[in-house]
Amino acid sequence: TQLLEQSPQFLSIQEGENLTVYCNSSSVFSSLQWYRQEPGEGPVLLVTVVTGGEVKKLKRLTFQFGDARKDSSLHITAAQPGDTGLYLCAGLNNNDMRFGAGTRLTVKP
Amino acid sequence: DVKVTQSSRYLVKRTGEKVFLECVQDMDHENMFWYRQDPGLGLRLIYFSYDVKMKEKGDIPEGYSVSREKKERFSLILESASTNQTSMYLCASRPTRTEAFFGQGTRLTVV
Repeated sequence: TQLLEQSPQFLSIQEGENLTVYCNSSSVFSSLQWYRQEPGEGPVLLVTVVTGGEVKKLKRLTFQFGDARKDSSLHITAAQPGDTGLYLCAGLNNNDMRFGAGTRLTVKP
Repeated sequence: DVKVTQSSRYLVKRTGEKVFLECVQDMDHENMFWYRQDPGLGLRLIYFSYDVKMKEKGDIPEGYSVSREKKERFSLILESASTNQTSMYLCASRPTRTEAFFGQGTRLTVV
């Protein structure tokens, strides 16, 4: 059983559509990170959220940390083919870092 | 730029062999991690280390051991490789409570 559950597992959409992916846990984290991984590469950090209720924007990407610091969401506006990849959330406590299984996003031109 | 280097991109080993996966980071980070990544399961933590000679078990340590004799190097050891250890292995390092930097991964096949 994963400590962090991500949904959906797969998502295929057309260019220009909006989407939201989720990261949920029964555990509280001191912070939560979102990474994107492309084939043949290691994950690369997109954002870190620390405060419950925090919202961060990165161009067309909006990240939210739940009030109880157990869950998070990633919303992409007007998706582009370059957004295609595996999106992973990671929960952090002290030196520990645990990942969810990821959402594999495909954006078709 | 931070660099995390894994010794091999692809590795093929026989069942029962002892396998060493090496990871080196060049930014003096305290924390280093070994994960394995399998389709549908994401990154599962095998071991991590928060200091030289210190190690902590992750979620799936069985069949693996680690060594951290120097701060920059974290080695993953498969004592007797088995086919169910065929996977992508990712090493990461990070300072305390900030961004993790990953190597490019080692795709290990055990035949």
